[in-house]
Amino acid sequence: QSALTQPASVSGSPGQSITISCTGTSSDVGGHNYVSWYQQHPGKAPKLMIYEVSNRPSGVSNRFSGSKSGNTASLTISGLQAEDEADYYCSSFTSSSTPYVFGTGTKVTVL
Amino acid sequence: QVQLVQSGAEVKKPGASVNVSCKASGYTFTGYYLHWVRQAPGQGLEWMGWINPNSGVTNYAQNFQGRVTMTRDTSISTAYMELSRLISDDAAVYYCATERSRAADYWGQGTLVTVSS
Repeated sequence: QSALTQPASVSGSPGQSITISCTGTSSDVGGHNYVSWYQQHPGKAPKLMIYEVSNRPSGVSNRFSGSKSGNTASLTISGLQAEDEADYYCSSFTSSSTPYVFGTGTKVTVL
Repeated sequence: QVQLVQSGAEVKKPGASVNVSCKASGYTFTGYYLHWVRQAPGQGLEWMGWINPNSGVTNYAQNFQGRVTMTRDTSISTAYMELSRLISDDAAVYYCATERSRAADYWGQGTLVTVSS
């Protein structure tokens, strides 16, 4: 099971919106509505930001939103803030013998 | 509140085994699957497997089949992950996490495993 493909880095200015893509196959992203997104600050454990493609856990800012089209899922951060600077990983349930796969990770920089 | 507290850092020699524990509190331990994920230094996240704390049934990633064993002790709300035949590439931070709708919801603080001769 190959890792899902994410851009290595995305940047934006405070207040702007950015979108991170997560591309898989019909066996993972395209075949299931179990895509999740995680935020990880340096030296910290990941934090769940989005589950089931577009659902936010309680306590997560509504500036974070998720969507999916075909084999590609996306995480959009609107109103970018300095605290959003972190690594972001997508993940998907899969139909393979290894039922979960993570993305390659994206470093978000706030300019 | 939900808390997952993991055991401390470990230093192991190549070929040895490591056992990491994950003590849960603040929720019904047997009610949610528990996942294990690792992260090598400067690298991404890698899913290792899950255990159903209620039944003890496990599901391991293909990459770890034959080397990983996940168990639990419901009497003390603690899950364990043992990785055997360690190699240098196994040096990583190991995390446990509860599951919500096939996502990793609450995470432990991580356990650093160093593999060095």
